[in-house]
Amino acid sequence: NAGVTQTPKFRVLKTGQSMTLLCAQDMNHEYMYWYRQDPGMGLRLIHYSVGEGTTAKGEVPDGYNVSRLKKQNFLLGLESAAPSQTSVYFCASSYFGPYNEQFFGPGTRLTVL
Amino acid sequence: GESVGLHLPTLSVQEGDNSIINCAYSNSASDYFIWYKQESGKGPQFIIDIRSNMDKRQGQRVTVLLNKTVKHLSLQIAATQPGDSAVYFCAEMMNYGQNFVFGPGTRLSVLP
Repeated sequence: NAGVTQTPKFRVLKTGQSMTLLCAQDMNHEYMYWYRQDPGMGLRLIHYSVGEGTTAKGEVPDGYNVSRLKKQNFLLGLESAAPSQTSVYFCASSYFGPYNEQFFGPGTRLTVL
Repeated sequence: GESVGLHLPTLSVQEGDNSIINCAYSNSASDYFIWYKQESGKGPQFIIDIRSNMDKRQGQRVTVLLNKTVKHLSLQIAATQPGDSAVYFCAEMMNYGQNFVFGPGTRLSVLP
């Protein structure tokens, strides 16, 4: 099993550009999450999904959109990138809900100039 | 607002000693807690969890203690090894929410 994978690993954008981050898991997990991690801070939840075709807002959803068209994939989109979105983005998945272990991907480092 | 926090941002210990990483939480409604380890350049990795109906839980070389009276959580690592060097996060789950609140993390450095 590859676990949770994220594409790309690094990306540099200019302000106003758009991009999509891809998360894939091969563990048949129902729940998937997108977090951002900023220096000196803990992870903050952006959006999450409790199953295929569902999405919900987390703590910091503004400026991001998500889609879960397939159970194994969870996409995070930035329609118009801003420097404040410079961060490391982590995807995670869990089999049931948040009351059990979340498996994290390796992260995507995004810089918005 | 209510949040998860850590008493010490950095902790240095000698190899072979025991480590104790502390975490304070302020939401009495939190009923589930997890400790994660994050090595440089990697995603967080689950270490151990504990539910609010427990005071202590043990894993391999790790023990989590929960003191609900003072809203305090700690992670004890026995016989700390160089491979334990990482940032450790505590996270709390509130019983009405779908997400965790993560603390900022404590960096553990193991000295040879």
